[in-house]
Amino acid sequence: EPEVTQTPSHQVTQMGQEVILRCVPISNHLYFYWYRQILGQKVEFLVSFYNNEISEKSEIFDDQFSVERPDGSNFTLKIRSTKLEDSAMYFCASSTDRVEQYFGPGTRLTVT
Amino acid sequence: GESVGLHLPTLSVQEGDNSIINCAYSNSASDYFIWYKQESGKGPQFIIDIRSNMDKRQGQRVTVLLNKTVKHLSLQIAATQPGDSAVYFCAENPSGGYNKLIFGAGTRLAVHP
Repeated sequence: EPEVTQTPSHQVTQMGQEVILRCVPISNHLYFYWYRQILGQKVEFLVSFYNNEISEKSEIFDDQFSVERPDGSNFTLKIRSTKLEDSAMYFCASSTDRVEQYFGPGTRLTVT
Repeated sequence: GESVGLHLPTLSVQEGDNSIINCAYSNSASDYFIWYKQESGKGPQFIIDIRSNMDKRQGQRVTVLLNKTVKHLSLQIAATQPGDSAVYFCAENPSGGYNKLIFGAGTRLAVHP
């Protein structure tokens, strides 16, 4: 069964550093999403992406965040200058019809 | 995916019993609702969904009930098994947009043999 994959599974970085989280969505999907989950809290929407552009973003997704689909398979989330409060699990999701979203296993980001 | 939380409500059931997990959603305009299961170290896994024009939908061992009047959603799991132990989230899709999902706080289901 096809699945969304994410790398790395765990990323440790120092405050102020740039990080890139990578995702490979399911191959025939057209809609892509990033969510995050701070430890002990609920899953929060960050951004949706379709047709090579951001279609919707939340208040969390400020100028420090960017997304890109650099080729036909990868979907990345970049945080330019990480802060302690960026520590969270980051989930990528994809969908073929904007309805059922399939989530990856997540990347745990730890900012020290 | 870590969904361990000091403040997550927990439902403890015996193996074989039926479980009912409840959720209140926020947006009366939401037209699509989903239940996700999250096991430790994993991302949310789709269980079942329901559209706002329905009030009940059944899957394999699971049933979702939607009460739009009081903005309430429930997930019923029949004959709960140890493998059902996880955190369960309801999610709503506000109508329009690109289907961002708004997740609820989650309920931990603990199944005891």
